[in-house]
Amino acid sequence: EAGVTQFPSHSVIEKGQTVTLRCDPISGHDNLYWYRRVMGKEIKFLLHFVKESKQDESGMPNNRFLAERTGGTYSTLKVQPAELEDSGVYFCASSQLPGQGTGNTIYFGEGSWLTVV
Amino acid sequence: AQSVTQLDSQVPVFEEAPVELRCNYSSSVSVYLFWYVQYPNQGLQLLLKYLSGSTLVKGINGFEAEFNKSQTSFHLRKPSVHISDTAEYFCAVTLWNGFKTIFGAGTRLFVKA
Repeated sequence: EAGVTQFPSHSVIEKGQTVTLRCDPISGHDNLYWYRRVMGKEIKFLLHFVKESKQDESGMPNNRFLAERTGGTYSTLKVQPAELEDSGVYFCASSQLPGQGTGNTIYFGEGSWLTVV
Repeated sequence: AQSVTQLDSQVPVFEEAPVELRCNYSSSVSVYLFWYVQYPNQGLQLLLKYLSGSTLVKGINGFEAEFNKSQTSFHLRKPSVHISDTAEYFCAVTLWNGFKTIFGAGTRLFVKA
């Protein structure tokens, strides 16, 4: 079974440019999460989708970040315009709904490593 | 609100020695407890989890953790470490409804020959 996949794995962009990160959750997982780890800091929650709806976006740092999950399958996280402090690792994760199979376990992808120069 | 505290930011240890990575949490609601590992330049991998039942849980690579409700702790242990265990380890809690996982700051384990 395929795990959570993220693309690109690494990206280097200039300040002011736009980057779009993509996440494909495990098939059948309605919950999709985005997390971020800025260098040396903690892994921080960004937002949570249940299917195509945003359940919780309290962790989104500012309006330069836009997440979408059209159709409730894959998700994108766009940073526009990127700033130096956006550099870090962006993790996507997915899980089933509570009460379903492994619904209490969140599975993470390999991360998208973003460097803004 | 929930929080996770990993008491050691770095733990150096010699190969074949035992190790314990400490984790304390606080929560006003029921949570599930996890340990994740991140090897250099790789993603997050689930090491083990406590959902219910036996308070001693075993994970991959010979790691185990014990849930202590009275002390709100979930310390990770391995009786004999290998060089390949060098990585960063994250303690995490997930709310009972499965929504939102909160991470500790991480503990870097350095295993020396």
